[in-house]
Amino acid sequence: AQSVAQPEDQVNVAEGNPLTVKCTYSVSGNPYLFWYVQYPNRGLQFLLKYITGDNLVKGSYGFEAEFNKSQTSFHLKKPSALVSDSALYFCAVRVDSWGKLQFGAGTQVVVTP
Amino acid sequence: EAQVTQNPRYLITVTGKKLTVTCSQNMNHEYMSWYRQDPGLGLRQIYYSMNVEVTDKGDVPEGYKVSRKEKRNFPLILESPSPNQTSLYFCASSPRRDGELFFGEGSRLTVL
Repeated sequence: AQSVAQPEDQVNVAEGNPLTVKCTYSVSGNPYLFWYVQYPNRGLQFLLKYITGDNLVKGSYGFEAEFNKSQTSFHLKKPSALVSDSALYFCAVRVDSWGKLQFGAGTQVVVTP
Repeated sequence: EAQVTQNPRYLITVTGKKLTVTCSQNMNHEYMSWYRQDPGLGLRQIYYSMNVEVTDKGDVPEGYKVSRKEKRNFPLILESPSPNQTSLYFCASSPRRDGELFFGEGSRLTVL
């Protein structure tokens, strides 16, 4: 079965420190991977995606993600976290040819001043 | 402004009282879908539509109906709501299969 997992329910980081949100996946074939962010009382917003090409993908708001095929991971990273990065982050993988996405359970990021 | 609009944003209803959550997008997207978000479960797809008059079940379609009579609109219908349908609902659209999803602001539904 194709799936995606976010092993951490919550990540706490101090402002200015590096932020990493973990995601692992299990798919047959080449993975299409996505990261979305949800701010309080808002819908999800697209951050970045990996389809093919460079393993390091750059996205919105200074975020990037590293695709690692051997570890089946797609971790989201930001070199220097801001308090405004506090939000719920979702990893997702495309699971069929019609573009259906399977979402992870989400990781709450808390950035403290 | 490009957007996906859902209504109502908040609704409290009682078991068995039919309700409709509307969704409209102004981006001429062909693909639209409905998700429900529950704590610890992430987002689960309810129904999706590849184009006008083309809809199909997602992972959790029981108790829901949809229709796609126009490209811009994709309403979610709960014919006889039950308490286990209390959830946060999101409508999303996309211009293509592997494109990013554009989400509405969400509709928080409580069924008593």
